[in-house]
Amino acid sequence: DGGITQSPKYLFRKEGQNVTLSCEQNLNHDAMYWYRQDPGQGLRLIYYSQIVNDFQKGDIAEGYSVSREKKESFPLTVTSAQKNPTAFYLCASSIRQGGYGYTFGSGTRLTVV
Amino acid sequence: GIQVEQSPPDLILQEGANSTLRCNFSDSVNNLQWFHQNPWGQLINLFYIPSGTKQNGRLSATTVATERYSLLYISSSQTTDSGVYFCAVEGGNEKLTFGTGTRLTIIP
Repeated sequence: DGGITQSPKYLFRKEGQNVTLSCEQNLNHDAMYWYRQDPGQGLRLIYYSQIVNDFQKGDIAEGYSVSREKKESFPLTVTSAQKNPTAFYLCASSIRQGGYGYTFGSGTRLTVV
Repeated sequence: GIQVEQSPPDLILQEGANSTLRCNFSDSVNNLQWFHQNPWGQLINLFYIPSGTKQNGRLSATTVATERYSLLYISSSQTTDSGVYFCAVEGGNEKLTFGTGTRLTIIP
């Protein structure tokens, strides 16, 4: 079955460390996205990529970095510069044409200890 | 950017009741989706509905694009319907913007 896989589901990080969240899709979607969700709130866009080797900042990109070397993969690095990294991170993908909307992964819950 | 408002923010209903959730948006959209977020955080895509009406079992949705709103109807509510319902829209900037959600609680 096609879908989006995020790993790990739970991640603990010490303050001052960088950590990378994985997102892989086998839907052959062109575009991929990273969102952050804080408790009781909606989703906010961190970064997005519409084609391989290209990506743009979203609304809250500070303290995060991404790469898009392959169509299937869009890893997110949470750097030590991110002041409040504890959150739920969701990855999504979409096909740019066709009108099928966005598909989301199951998320990674990051906790800074 | 485009603004998305959802109402009500919270809704508590008895099992078997019907409910209507509303989503208002501030500009024309290319994409509108309704999602249900389950207790584990997974976002389940309910409808892709930039315009018109769709139905899927006990759920249906209507988007009136010219008046910039969408409605999600849930009939004969079950406890498994509990969770947060999000409306998300995509305008000309090709970014999906989420509303703050409606938290639905169904009491047995």
